[in-house]
Amino acid sequence: DIQMTQTPSSMPASLGERVTISCRASQGISNYLNWYQQKPDGTIKPLIYYTSNLQSGVPSRFSGSGSGTDYSLTISSLEPEDFAMYYCQQYDSSPLTFGSGTKLEIK
Amino acid sequence: EVKLVESGGGLVQPGRSLKLSCAASGFSFNDYWMGWVRQAPGKGLEWIGEINQDSSTINYTPSLKDKFTISRDNAQNTLYLQMSKLGSEDTAIYYCARDCTTVVTDYFDYWGQGVMVTVSS
Repeated sequence: DIQMTQTPSSMPASLGERVTISCRASQGISNYLNWYQQKPDGTIKPLIYYTSNLQSGVPSRFSGSGSGTDYSLTISSLEPEDFAMYYCQQYDSSPLTFGSGTKLEIK
Repeated sequence: EVKLVESGGGLVQPGRSLKLSCAASGFSFNDYWMGWVRQAPGKGLEWIGEINQDSSTINYTPSLKDKFTISRDNAQNTLYLQMSKLGSEDTAIYYCARDCTTVVTDYFDYWGQGVMVTVSS
């Protein structure tokens, strides 16, 4: 199985701050990488698919990049609704695997 | 509006079986792969598996392949997860999700609200 190492596990940040979450795969995944957001009530939605493609309806302050084994999610200017959990997921090979998550907290 | 509504969760004794359902609406169910993901209390997301449109291809995470069975009924717009030999490690929220699968994409674009399964005596 491909292991996804996500860092940091938690991140205190302020409104308006630019933040970056990283995700490293245990082997190359050819850009087959998605990002999801989970709110405290459990609601999950996709943010970015295939490394850098913004899901419909997701604000443009979210962006994704990366290649090979290293990927990142950037939020350019934090809004109140962005404080949540974030997960990366690879789909290069089965079983699909998620990172362990990053909790974005208000500083 | 796309809606996915899970049901069938609850308290179950160790060793017993349970079948979850996911009722889909607002889209053409038989045009999409579908999948299941779970989340143990305080833990991250775990991919359980996925099923293609006509049930000819079903993929599982290896550790659950002998315990869980994914199926679907396109006439009823319903996805299922049959779980057997349940143990405490299967206590989790179970989510069904629509799978957006193309040549280069494979991501869950819509998720249900989740259903809790608690395995305990």
